[in-house]
Amino acid sequence: AQSVAQPEDQVNVAEGNPLTVKCTYSVSGNPYLFWYVQYPNRGLQFLLKYITGDNLVKGSYGFEAEFNKSQTSFHLKKPSALVSDSALYFCAVRDIWSNTGKLIFGQGTTLQVKP
Amino acid sequence: GAGVSQSPRYKVAKRGQDVALRCDPISGHVSLFWYQQALGQGPEFLTYFQNEAQLDKSGLPSDRFFAERPEGSVSTLKIQRTQQEDSAVYLCASRADAGPYNEQFFGPGTRLTVL
Repeated sequence: AQSVAQPEDQVNVAEGNPLTVKCTYSVSGNPYLFWYVQYPNRGLQFLLKYITGDNLVKGSYGFEAEFNKSQTSFHLKKPSALVSDSALYFCAVRDIWSNTGKLIFGQGTTLQVKP
Repeated sequence: GAGVSQSPRYKVAKRGQDVALRCDPISGHVSLFWYQQALGQGPEFLTYFQNEAQLDKSGLPSDRFFAERPEGSVSTLKIQRTQQEDSAVYLCASRADAGPYNEQFFGPGTRLTVL
C-alpha cells in the first residue's frame, strides 16, 4: 500500500536555527512528492514539489527539500527559521495508481518556532 | 477571485440533516478535488472532477455522500442524513490542468460539526 509517514508530531526550534521536518514515503515506482503548509483557519498552501531531476528542490518562503531515493525520504528544510514559520506541515505523495493526481497525505507535523 | 473559495466556512448540523457544501475553484481550472480532514489527521481524498465529469469517487465513504460539478466550475458536496462521524473539515482543491504533475490549490475548508 502507498503511504506517507511524518514521524514527528511536533518539531520545536529556536528562531534563527535551521529546521528539518521529516517525511518518508512508501510507493512503488517513481514518486511525485509535495509539501504543503497549513495556517490556522486557512487552507493548505503549496510549498514545493519533486517530480524528477535535481534531488534538492527549492520552494516558497526559503524552504527546500531533499529527495533521497535510497532512504525513501523527502525531508523539508530551512536554513534559518522564523517565528512566522510556525504552522502545520503536510507531506504528500501522488497516488501512483491513479491518473488523477490525487494526493496521499501524512498526518502532519506541527512546527513551533520560538523567539 | 484569486483563490479557491468555499462556503459556508462553518456548518453545524443535527444528526440526520442534509448539508450542502460549495466550492468555487480558481477560474479556468480543469481539475477539482474534494478531501476530508478529520481532527488531527491529514486530508483524505474523496472525489475528483475533470471539468464536469466525475472521474473518481472511490474515496466517498458511503452512498450518503454525493458530489457534482454540473457546468465544470462550481462544485457542491452533499451529505445526506449526516452522522457524527461526518464531523470534519472538508477541503476543496483545484488544479489548472488534468495532468498529475502540478500542484493543487486548496480552499480554506468548511468545518462541519454534526451534533
